[in-house]
Amino acid sequence: QSVLTQPPSVSEAPRQRVTISCSGSSSNIGNNAVNWYQQLPGKAPKLLIYYDDLLPSGVSDRFSGSKSGTSASLAISGLQSEDEADYYCAAWDDSLNVVVFGGGTKLTVL
Amino acid sequence: QVTLKESGPVLVKPTETLTLTCTVSGFSLSNARMGVSWIRQPPGKALEWLAHIFSNDEKSYSTSLKSRLTISKDTSKSQVVLTMTNMDPVDTATYYCARTHSDGYNLDYWGQGTLVTVSS
Repeated sequence: QSVLTQPPSVSEAPRQRVTISCSGSSSNIGNNAVNWYQQLPGKAPKLLIYYDDLLPSGVSDRFSGSKSGTSASLAISGLQSEDEADYYCAAWDDSLNVVVFGGGTKLTVL
Repeated sequence: QVTLKESGPVLVKPTETLTLTCTVSGFSLSNARMGVSWIRQPPGKALEWLAHIFSNDEKSYSTSLKSRLTISKDTSKSQVVLTMTNMDPVDTATYYCARTHSDGYNLDYWGQGTLVTVSS
């Protein structure tokens, strides 16, 4: 059972928009930066969003992040087949003094 | 450019101690705002954060694994070492190291990972 809760899977058609939610608590998302990672099949994870809504250099602006209270979301617009991957949210937890990850969400582009 | 590379045994026996080394380049382990984390991923399962260490030797460990983990660094060698004692088959996983920012704890560069199998 992960400290951060994500839906196990989402799916959407090409060129559409999808959002992935990440639910936590006041000790993690509510008080700390949320980071998102993309893991393509068989590959190492890659930083996708940091500090809730910032894009690292080289990441497509089809990806965006947001946060409200103790929940965060990752949105992907203009879906492409190459976006099929597992997506993870993560944040520091002040109570546990650890980094906590969500359980991951598998995105399928129909 | 920034790179990280994990090295260590591919196979360990139950009860043995695992020692993994992360060799970094493109940044210094003495950088005040950066450190290195270890993360693992059992086959087909989610990422699990294990530990991190920063330049001031600040360390944090996974709550559930704290008693079995030790993280250390050798700045002169640009290496971070993770040891995990009393290995069990459930510890079979790909182990990653990643550069970590002290503000926000984002992991911006990852190694390729190394698969460690625990089996007799």
